[in-house]
Amino acid sequence: AQTVTQSQPEMSVQEAETVTLSCTYDTSESDYYLFWYKQPPSRQMILVIRQEAYKQQNATENRFSVNFQKAAKSFSLKISDSQLGDAAMYFCAYRGFNSGGSNYKLTFGKGTLLTVNP
Amino acid sequence: DTEVTQTPKHLVMGMTNKKSLKCEQHMGHRAMYWYKQKAKKPPELMFVYSYEKLSINESVPSRFSPECPNSSLLNLHLHALQPEDSALYLCASSQRGGTPGDTQYFGPGTRLTVL
Repeated sequence: AQTVTQSQPEMSVQEAETVTLSCTYDTSESDYYLFWYKQPPSRQMILVIRQEAYKQQNATENRFSVNFQKAAKSFSLKISDSQLGDAAMYFCAYRGFNSGGSNYKLTFGKGTLLTVNP
Repeated sequence: DTEVTQTPKHLVMGMTNKKSLKCEQHMGHRAMYWYKQKAKKPPELMFVYSYEKLSINESVPSRFSPECPNSSLLNLHLHALQPEDSALYLCASSQRGGTPGDTQYFGPGTRLTVL
């Protein structure tokens, strides 16, 4: 079974600084998708960025970028120029191509709570 | 429009009550999901509907009963719940469901308290 590990339960960053959230995963599949979701204190889960495993190029979305290292099974999220609105719980998630219904499932890490200090 | 709406926002119920949670999307998505989320934990998948048919039931107790009346609407009927069922219930939808790259869009959730 796939597992997703976020080793940093909490992180903090100064406003305008850069922070990197780590995520590692374990899978035997060669193709899959990885996601970072953000859940602010208001609760709604929002997709930040996604990456398909067979694409070499790291995904970027404005101030958010990933460092995807397939061989190392690592998928870290870099937030540049951090803003107060970036404060949230960040979940790394995996979704694979297995049959039997598991291809519907997002496997989440335990989350990293990011605090942004003014 | 990438909006999933959920009602009510908050719900308090006794263990003998019957209540329902509602989720709606108008993005033309054909897969809809119910998740349960405890505080500071990741969401746990409960049910998946694909093309209005139940595709996944993650061994959820029968006191939770999902229903998908049409492609835009998803309900979760609650009966005889336990205090440990208190949680945030999230609904999500995605375009097709069985495709791993299908992005799931989440609603704001219903905060359920069982007394």
